[in-house]
Amino acid sequence: DAGITQSPRHKVTETGTPVTLRCHQTENHRYMYWYRQDPGHGLRLIHYSYGVKDTDKGEVSDGYSVSRSKTEDFLLTLESATSSQTSVYFCAISELQGYTFGSGTRLTVV
Amino acid sequence: KNQVEQSPQSLIILEGKNCTLQCNYTVSPFSNLRWYKQDTGRGPVSLTIMTFSENTKSNGRYTATLDADTKQSSLHITASQLSDSASYICVVSDVDSNYQLIWGAGTKLIIKP
Repeated sequence: DAGITQSPRHKVTETGTPVTLRCHQTENHRYMYWYRQDPGHGLRLIHYSYGVKDTDKGEVSDGYSVSRSKTEDFLLTLESATSSQTSVYFCAISELQGYTFGSGTRLTVV
Repeated sequence: KNQVEQSPQSLIILEGKNCTLQCNYTVSPFSNLRWYKQDTGRGPVSLTIMTFSENTKSNGRYTATLDADTKQSSLHITASQLSDSASYICVVSDVDSNYQLIWGAGTKLIIKP
């Protein structure tokens, strides 16, 4: 998707290991978001950021932390991955006309 | 708890036919209602955004309607194409929770030739 990239696209990790997902934007947007998407559920907000070093929790923040040291990068860290965190993770930026999403990271915790 | 419910969960139609997807919500007050299209393996892409005062909005072959009194919205797709195969997600912005987006689980639409 134009202006926002996520890495990696796919990752398999073991239970108990830390994992960091990266979101990079080239649009200089202030607001950035991390969502997870699971079958049968709507997207659920994990954390969001409203500026460099300004972050806040979403509805499913337990087990996750974020950092935003630069406007363009928003990192999501699973401190100690669990099987319940197997999911597809989406990063998004918000604009006047709506949200723009990255292509997602499929994370499998085994 | 604020909810957004979509129906049907899945739908299969033939290419060229029309279809209507439903969204019922309990979010109140709300700021706006959005419809997104999500292709397999991709992030959601915005189709329409309607404020509480709008009744209808079109984007090409997609037409969204909103009835704020009954808390219902629909997405009508005209003359479906194979590329319309995707999940369609209804999203409502919750005023009381600082405009947090409440996402429906989506309707999976399959267009068959």
